[in-house]
Amino acid sequence: EDQVTQSPEALRLQEGESSSLNCSYTVSGLRGLFWYRQDPGKGPEFLFTLYSAGEEKEKERLKATLTKKESFLHITAPKPEDSATYLCAVLNNAGNMLTFGGGTRLMVKP
Amino acid sequence: EPEVTQTPSHQVTQMGQEVILRCVPISNHLYFYWYRQILGQKVEFLVSFYNNEISEKSEIFDDQFSVERPDGSNFTLKIRSTKLEDSAMYFCASRRDRGLYNEQFFGPGTRLTVL
Repeated sequence: EDQVTQSPEALRLQEGESSSLNCSYTVSGLRGLFWYRQDPGKGPEFLFTLYSAGEEKEKERLKATLTKKESFLHITAPKPEDSATYLCAVLNNAGNMLTFGGGTRLMVKP
Repeated sequence: EPEVTQTPSHQVTQMGQEVILRCVPISNHLYFYWYRQILGQKVEFLVSFYNNEISEKSEIFDDQFSVERPDGSNFTLKIRSTKLEDSAMYFCASRRDRGLYNEQFFGPGTRLTVL
């Protein structure tokens, strides 16, 4: 059974204070690791897909990296509008089902 | 930019009643999904649907649940006899095809409250 664990559960940062979110996973065969952003009461918004160890993707202040056991979402000089819950998910072998972690709730204070 | 839409945004029902949640996936997408998120918990997979058939379902998706694509645009989730524990946000998602980097795009969700 695929498992995804995210840490920390919550993270408070000052505006401009860079940090990283962690996603540890165990899967029988990685078909893709996905990062989503979720605002309160909304659906997950796609950010990145990573497929192989060593791969990196960047978008504005966010950079996602992948190893064989975990992924990191690095946030550089965050702004208050980056406040959200960040979800990590893995795609199962059959390519149908995403298994999500519990998310990291990020709060960025001005 | 194309997006997944869902109606209604909030549905309140009495225990034992049937509800139908509706979704319009992105128009050129071929794979459709339902997930749910109980308040404060993880997003959980319910079912995937392709070519008018269920391709995979979770243990949550029991005989009380069904899905249908009644026409070329809508994708529905029916709960036959709702229970209190069915209260959750229900998200529809769609995916273009099964290529390597084809992510699932999620709708805004329907909040289902069972009283």
